[in-house]
Amino acid sequence: DTGVSQDPRHKITKRGQNVTFRCDPISEHNRLYWYRQTLGQGPEFLTYFQNEAQLEKSRLLSDRFSAERPKGSFSTLEIQRTEQGDSAMYLCASSLGTGARNTIYFGEGSWLTVV
Amino acid sequence: AQTVTQSQPEMSVQEAETVTLSCTYDTSESDYYLFWYKQPPSRQMILVIRQEAYKQQNATENRFSVNFQKAAKSFSLKISDSQLGDAAMYFCAYSLRTGNQFYFGTGTSLTVIP
Repeated sequence: DTGVSQDPRHKITKRGQNVTFRCDPISEHNRLYWYRQTLGQGPEFLTYFQNEAQLEKSRLLSDRFSAERPKGSFSTLEIQRTEQGDSAMYLCASSLGTGARNTIYFGEGSWLTVV
Repeated sequence: AQTVTQSQPEMSVQEAETVTLSCTYDTSESDYYLFWYKQPPSRQMILVIRQEAYKQQNATENRFSVNFQKAAKSFSLKISDSQLGDAAMYFCAYSLRTGNQFYFGTGTSLTVIP
């Protein structure tokens, strides 16, 4: 079991550039989540997928953010026209089945620094 | 709106001693879960313990146990026989039964003193 994998682990980009993060969930996990965590704060929900369908999005997910999960496997989170306020760690998580009784497994996160 | 509050930004404990981390939450729902997650430095967040709101019995997982006070909306974590490996950031979290999204507190940084 390889766990949830995220790539890249660190990204430094200039303001205005686009960045894309990739998440590979645990094999056969049908739920995939994206969270954002800034320094000194707990993770904040961004969005989640049930297989390939994006079922819920937070208001934090502005128009510059887009997430996809083609074929219900890996997922990508793209941020267009990055701003300094986007600097954060982007966490991916996955779970098998629905409901809070199923354990959610987190990846190590992708750190974004916008300069 | 659901909110989770952790009022202790930092805590420390002597190795082999017991420490309690506090958490309060606010919700108007009745069917929910509460969690404690551990986030070691530069490592992924892992589930420590889970409590279903409908269960009156407090959850336990080896050295970890909770004190769930539903009426007071309090959910504290007790770590017994603290070990150096327990040093981490601990997050309290809330979710409805659907598990669609979690609400996290701001975390408590636990230091274990040898």
